[in-house]
Amino acid sequence: AQTVTQSQPEMSVQEAETVTLSCTYDTSENNYYLFWYKQPPSRQMILVIRQEAYKQQNATENRFSVNFQKAAKSFSLKISDSQLGDTAMYFCAFMIGGTSYGKLTFGQGTILTVHP
Amino acid sequence: NAGVTQTPKFQVLKTGQSMTLQCAQDMNHEYMSWYRQDPGMGLRLIHYSVGAGITDQGEVPNGYNVSRSTTEDFPLRLLSAAPSQTSVYFCASSSPAGGVIGYTFGSGTRLTVV
Repeated sequence: AQTVTQSQPEMSVQEAETVTLSCTYDTSENNYYLFWYKQPPSRQMILVIRQEAYKQQNATENRFSVNFQKAAKSFSLKISDSQLGDTAMYFCAFMIGGTSYGKLTFGQGTILTVHP
Repeated sequence: NAGVTQTPKFQVLKTGQSMTLQCAQDMNHEYMSWYRQDPGMGLRLIHYSVGAGITDQGEVPNGYNVSRSTTEDFPLRLLSAAPSQTSVYFCASSSPAGGVIGYTFGSGTRLTVV
């Protein structure tokens, strides 16, 4: 079974600064995908960024980037130039590819607060 | 496109009552899933489906039933509600066609069982 661990229950950052959220996972699979989802107070789950395990290049989406360390099974999210609208719960998630495609395993979540 | 639509948004049930949470998507996605979100535990998979007529259990299936008669709809049935089923429920859909795009989630249903 796959497990995803987010060891930081809460984080805070000042507006315009950079913050990194940690995520580690455990799997014996080689074909898999990793995601970061954002859940603001509205409760909506929003996909922030995704990473294919076979890609060595780290994914980037505007102010969001990941540091994917496959050997260490680590998948951290870096938010640059933090904005008040980034305040949310962030979930790291894992999904096997191939015939087991479709089952997402989530971490416990990290509450991020951006202060003005 | 409406995406993934869940109804109702809020519901209060008495212990022992039954109900169905509705989920519909208009993106022609093959994969649909139900998750429950509890404090400190992230989201956990209840049931999922890879296409019409095909369903399978996830991590926490007990007390829930699903069926998938069409591509668009994936209702979740609570057969006899228990206080332990108090949670926020999310429906999600995805399609591997064209590359992995991750799941699109509905806005959730907050269920309270008293």
